[in-house]
This record gives sequence, C-alpha cells and structure tokens, in this order.
Amino acid sequence: EVHLVESGGGLVQPGRSLRLSCSASGFNFGDYAMSWVRQAPGKGLEWLGFIRSKAFGGTTENAASVKGRFSISRDDSKSIAYLQMNSLETEDTAVYYCTRSESASWYKGLDSWGQGTLVTVSS
Amino acid sequence: DIQLTQSPSFLSASVGDRVTITCRASQDVSNYLAWYQQKPGKAPKVLIYSASTLQSGVPSRFSGSGSGTQFTLTISSLQPEDFATYHCQQLKSYPLTFGGGTKVEIK
Repeated sequence: EVHLVESGGGLVQPGRSLRLSCSASGFNFGDYAMSWVRQAPGKGLEWLGFIRSKAFGGTTENAASVKGRFSISRDDSKSIAYLQMNSLETEDTAVYYCTRSESASWYKGLDSWGQGTLVTVSS
Repeated sequence: DIQLTQSPSFLSASVGDRVTITCRASQDVSNYLAWYQQKPGKAPKVLIYSASTLQSGVPSRFSGSGSGTQFTLTISSLQPEDFATYHCQQLKSYPLTFGGGTKVEIK
C-alpha cells in the first residue's frame, strides 16, 4: 500500500525557514515524480511545484508565487522528498501535502496524497 | 498561467440527485484535466484524469467529459458519501493550476 507521510510542520515566525519532509513507502519511489500542494485555511488547493524522477532528469518546476523562496529536492536512497521554505510569510500558513504522479503518465494526475502537515507562520 | 473557473462554487443537493459541476479553462488544455474529491479534514483523492478516465476503484456514478476549455464532472445519483468538495486541475502546462473548488452539501 502506498504511504506518504509529511513531517516538519509547525509554528514558525515570519522571515524564518522550514523544511518539510515526505517519507514514502509501498512503491518504488525513484520511479515517480513528487509534488507539493498546499491549502490555506478555508481555501482551495495551490500547486507549489514538483521534482521529476531521475530517469526524467530529476529537474523541478515551481509555481511563480513561491519561486525563489521554496525549493523541492529528493533523496531516492531514503525515499524522501523535501520542500525547503525560506523567507516565510503569514500568507504561507496552510496545510502542505506531498503527492506523487507517474513519471511517464503525469497526465493521470496526483494519484496519492499524504495526510498533510500544518504550517503556521505567525509572530 | 492557465486559470480554471469552477461553477458553482457551492451546491446543495439531495441523495439520489444528478449533479453536474463545470470547470472552464482560460486556455485550451486539450484533455489534460483531472478531478479530485476532498472530504473535510482529509487529503484530496483523484477521481478522474484525462478529462473522462475513471481512476481505478472510483464508483461508476462519477463521470467526466469535455475537452479544450470546457469540462464537466457528473455524479449520476448522489450518495451520502459524495458530500464533499470537488476540485479540477489542469495538467497541460506549468503551473499545474487548480480550480477554486465546488462544495456539495446536503439539502
């Protein structure tokens, strides 16, 4: 069974950094692209970016809204994806989800999601 | 960026009703569109991809149609477990944007 478990969320002051982790199990992590999606309280979903599998270059795509502040990386040896968030703003307060998609069949959408981790940016 | 506009943003329906949700894209996304269902406090799950392909395990009362800029999600006979928020997402180009969501509540 596929499991994605996010960790690293919590309360952080504006301007500080936070790194979220997504631990994966139940599938061959290296074969999949990994994405991050967030949802502010009472709001819709916002795609933040993704990292391709190594077979597809291991490169990233990021949403313009967080480009330059957020970056995505992966460690295939540990089956973990990361979201590094810098210069956090109060507007970054949200539940952050880790998701996966098939590298060669990305059009199938985000087929598995973690339970989410809450990040609260406040002084 | 491609904007996705869902309508309605909220609808109230009864068990057994036929429900249709629309997602309109600001540019042609071909059939690169997915639909997700999200229940309160839970992560979304994919229902439909490629505009009309049912994800494995999803009940057949769900169906999707459309291409280009106009898409619909239809629930043929609403069941109690279908009361949730539905999101569309385009996978044609980056950023992979979502619609604003449609909340389906019990009448």
